[in-house]
Amino acid sequence: GIQVEQSPPDLILQEGANSTLRCNFSDSVNNLQWFHQNPWGQLINLFYIPSGTKQNGRLSATTVATERYSLLYISSSQTTDSGVYFCAVESGGSNYKLTFGKGTLLTVNP
Amino acid sequence: GAGVSQSPRYKVAKRGQDVALRCDPISGHVSLFWYQQALGQGPEFLTYFQNEAQLDKSGLPSDRFFAERPEGSVSTLKIQRTQQEDSAVYLCASSLRWGSNQPQHFGDGTRLSIL
Repeated sequence: GIQVEQSPPDLILQEGANSTLRCNFSDSVNNLQWFHQNPWGQLINLFYIPSGTKQNGRLSATTVATERYSLLYISSSQTTDSGVYFCAVESGGSNYKLTFGKGTLLTVNP
Repeated sequence: GAGVSQSPRYKVAKRGQDVALRCDPISGHVSLFWYQQALGQGPEFLTYFQNEAQLDKSGLPSDRFFAERPEGSVSTLKIQRTQQEDSAVYLCASSLRWGSNQPQHFGDGTRLSIL
């Protein structure tokens, strides 16, 4: 099956700093989503981005499908950005399941 | 409701007991998925429904796991004779249409602890 690798596994920032999270995948994908799992365990949709670039406030994401990677940018980070960021891909087949990476644990210190 | 609703949020059971976890998808969503998330890991696929039809159950870890969606809306994931390794967060997701290239929307999950 498709492999999804996220980097870095852990990231510690001071409030106000910028960061880039990366997601590499091993095969072509039909769907790619970025999620934020907050400390209470809630999995929150950030972007649905199988290709191209999208922006939502301080967050933006870019997927280059032909090169099999996606990037999530966080600018002017806040303590509430802390949590685990997951990249998940749907690679085809009949069940349309998402395959998740292991996530990036982000800690933003005040 | 506005989002995917799961209940209960937390469930503690003794080893050997049966448990039932409920998922209310977003109204009108055709596709429904169950995922299992072990501590420190990403969610992993369990099973997929298109309306009331369970089209894929390849991710269910054993025959003790059973899922149903009899009227094509609410779904229940049942685990029989629970074991400690069943302790995890169980997430439900739904998408508006069947097929590829559809964003999935997740509920808050049920955290299951088996003592």
